[in-house]
Amino acid sequence: EPEVTQTPSHQVTQMGQEVILRCVPISNHLYFYWYRQILGQKVEFLVSFYNNEISEKSEIFDDQFSVERPDGSNFTLKIRSTKLEDSAMYFCATASGPGANVLTFGAGSRLTVL
Amino acid sequence: GQQVMQIPQYQHVQEGEDFTTYCNSSTTLSNIQWYKQRPGGHPVFLIQLVKSGEVKKQKRLTFQFGEAKKNSSLHITATQTTDVGTYFCAVTTSGTYKYIFGTGTRLKVLA
Repeated sequence: EPEVTQTPSHQVTQMGQEVILRCVPISNHLYFYWYRQILGQKVEFLVSFYNNEISEKSEIFDDQFSVERPDGSNFTLKIRSTKLEDSAMYFCATASGPGANVLTFGAGSRLTVL
Repeated sequence: GQQVMQIPQYQHVQEGEDFTTYCNSSTTLSNIQWYKQRPGGHPVFLIQLVKSGEVKKQKRLTFQFGEAKKNSSLHITATQTTDVGTYFCAVTTSGTYKYIFGTGTRLKVLA
């Protein structure tokens, strides 16, 4: 079964450092999402991305965050200057279409900010 | 922003007992999906509901979409230890493609 692949699985970083999380979507999927989940809490929407641009973003997705698909395969989430409260599991999800399409999630990247 | 609440937050049941989680939205929904997240895992799609009053079944799982398309329920008959995990609803509204996840219900099944 096709998978969404995320790297790294776990990253530990110092506060203020930049972090890049990577996602390889399922090959025929066109809609990409980043979600985050603070330990034991709900899955929070960060951003959706289609046709090489952001479709929607949440209040969480401020100027410290950015997304891009630089090489047509990897979909990346960059956090410019990490804060302690950025510690969370970050999930990439992809879908073949908008709206009423199934989200396929990757296994997640756990970010720990010290 | 849109509020999607699930109740209960936690549920412990004896194996064989039934379980129900409810998802309530403050706004009318376009569709609703249900996901299961095993401990330490990622959300996995279970089902999608689109029509008002729709009921779908998957083996021991029954999903229902409210008539007003503002709420939904997931019912598990005769729980098994493999049902352990957190069940999330995820909703979209008209004019948006993003899915907003509910607060989740964590199910623990005692053997």
